[in-house]
Amino acid sequence: AQSVTQPDIHITVSEGASLELRCNYSYGATPYLFWYVQSPGQGLQLLLKYFSGDTLVQGIKGFEAEFKRSQSSFNLRKPSVHWSDAAEYFCAVGARGTYKYIFGTGTRLKVLA
Amino acid sequence: SQTIHQWPATLVQPVGSPLSLECTVEGTSNPNLYWYRQAAGRGLQLLFYSVGIGQISSEVPQNLSASRPQDRQFILSSKKLLLSDSGFYLCAWGHLGGYTFGSGTRLTVV
Repeated sequence: AQSVTQPDIHITVSEGASLELRCNYSYGATPYLFWYVQSPGQGLQLLLKYFSGDTLVQGIKGFEAEFKRSQSSFNLRKPSVHWSDAAEYFCAVGARGTYKYIFGTGTRLKVLA
Repeated sequence: SQTIHQWPATLVQPVGSPLSLECTVEGTSNPNLYWYRQAAGRGLQLLFYSVGIGQISSEVPQNLSASRPQDRQFILSSKKLLLSDSGFYLCAWGHLGGYTFGSGTRLTVV
């Protein structure tokens, strides 16, 4: 069955610290992978995506993610977190051409000043 | 440019009342459109999607329905709301780059 798991419901980090949000997927075909961010009461904004090629992808707001096929993972990272990064983050997976994406349950990030 | 509009932003409705949420897309034709519901701690649940006018696929059985009367318009409806219909509803346009989401509607059924 196709699924996305974000094992961390909540993560708290101090401002300036590094961040890694985990995402594991189960998908039969070669997946398209996405990370989205949602500020409270808002829609979701695309941070970055992986379709093929270089397994380390760069996104907006200084985020990056690495696709590891052997581990079925697509973890999101940021070297130094800013207070404005506090939000909920969603990982999503889908197949090429379907435009139907499966979302994880999200990780809520809290940033301490 | 391509944009997606969703309204209203918030809605408080009594149990048993009807519902109509609207979503429109600008700057593209024949978009794939989606309705998601987001409940606390449960991520995003796909409710309906549409690949064209009059074409609706339902992902989960529920008290809601969807319609696509025009190419760039997608409507989420209910004849009689239940308490369990409360949540945050998101419209999305699917394309090669992923999804572009609307700003969402917070529905509270009282």
